[in-house]
Amino acid sequence: GQNIDQPTEMTATEGAIVQINCTYQTSGFNGLFWYQQHAGEAPTFLSYNVLDGLEEKGRFSSFLSRSKGYSYLLLKELQMKDSASYLCAVRDSNYQLIWGAGTKLIIKP
Amino acid sequence: DTEVTQTPKHLVMGMTNKKSLKCEQHMGHRAMYWYKQKAKKPPELMFVYSYEKLSINESVPSRFSPECPNSSLLNLHLHALQPEDSALYLCASSPRGDRVGNTGELFFGEGSRLTVL
Repeated sequence: GQNIDQPTEMTATEGAIVQINCTYQTSGFNGLFWYQQHAGEAPTFLSYNVLDGLEEKGRFSSFLSRSKGYSYLLLKELQMKDSASYLCAVRDSNYQLIWGAGTKLIIKP
Repeated sequence: DTEVTQTPKHLVMGMTNKKSLKCEQHMGHRAMYWYKQKAKKPPELMFVYSYEKLSINESVPSRFSPECPNSSLLNLHLHALQPEDSALYLCASSPRGDRVGNTGELFFGEGSRLTVL
């Protein structure tokens, strides 16, 4: 079967750095995506990795290792507004997005 | 215009009602999607329209009926729903079709929160 695992909840302090991990087992691989979703709102696209390595975009970076079936989202200089759920999604060989259950990130002052 | 607009934002309906959810995008995107999301769960794909043709129907019950009148509009017609169908219904679009060439970035609308009594 297809499976994406990410922690259910994480807590971090304002101004700090947090790493949210995602491991996957899917039928084929055509890219990995990270989305941010604030409570009661729609998901918004954060990053896309299809090759191994680190993609940096401002305070957010995403890493991929295809051989390990592993990705992480790194958030630096955390702000209170970063409190949200972070969804990892993998596109399989049929170009279908398989979604993880999401990681709820709580930022404390 | 980089938005996906959904109406209504909130909908309460009885099990015998017929209602519709509407979605509109003017970004020239060629793929449009309906997702259903329950609280604390990831989005669950329902339908995909690619170049105005239904390309994916994820075994959704017939009480949900999608319609794509043109490349900018996507509707979801609702009839004889059950209380367990209460959820946030998200529309999304992506620049190309849902297959080759699709970078995968989805642009989501704010959703329509549906309550079935």
